[in-house]
Amino acid sequence: ETGVTQSPTHLIKTRGQQVTLRCSSQSGHNTVSWYQQALGQGPQFIFQYYREEENGRGNFPPRFSGLQFPNYSSELNVNALELDDSALYLCASSLWAGGAEAFFGQGTRLTVV
Amino acid sequence: GDSVTQMEGPVTLSEEAFLTINCTYTATGYPSLFWYVQYPGEGLQLLLKATKADDKGSNKGFEATYRKETTSFHLEKGSVQVSDSAVYFCALRSDQGGSEKLVFGKGTKLTVNP
Repeated sequence: ETGVTQSPTHLIKTRGQQVTLRCSSQSGHNTVSWYQQALGQGPQFIFQYYREEENGRGNFPPRFSGLQFPNYSSELNVNALELDDSALYLCASSLWAGGAEAFFGQGTRLTVV
Repeated sequence: GDSVTQMEGPVTLSEEAFLTINCTYTATGYPSLFWYVQYPGEGLQLLLKATKADDKGSNKGFEATYRKETTSFHLEKGSVQVSDSAVYFCALRSDQGGSEKLVFGKGTKLTVNP
């Protein structure tokens, strides 16, 4: 059974650019959630995907968007990057079953300069 | 909306000392409660959980009891080790808006010295 994997682990982008982060969910899981963790803060919920549909969104602007694929892997896209987007982005997968545990990947560290 | 407040750090202890990290929450209904741990450069690992009032979650010597009357879920360990040095996050699971999202506290950094 493979765990949640995210890629890349680190990247540096310039303000105004666009970025795509990827997440492979744990085997058997059909739900993916994305979180942003700023330095020294707790993770903040961005959105969740279930069966390829967005299923809830946190307080993030529309330039944060996502996709979920038929194999339940997922992408997080951020357009028009801002300096404040610098953070650790965490992906969590779970089985949609009313209370199932979420398993986190190691995260992608994004630095916007 | 739902929120979690946890004790601000950093916390520095000597090995074998007693640990308490306070956590209180605000939520509608009766959420499930969690403690996650984050080691340097890594993602989050679930440490323990409790799904209803008076439940006690435990793992690796850590314990926390779901107290509905005080809306608290304090983390305790009787004797910490150097390997326990990490950041600890208290969280609740919120079902608002149709998604099952986790709401986290700001985290408490623990350093255990030999």
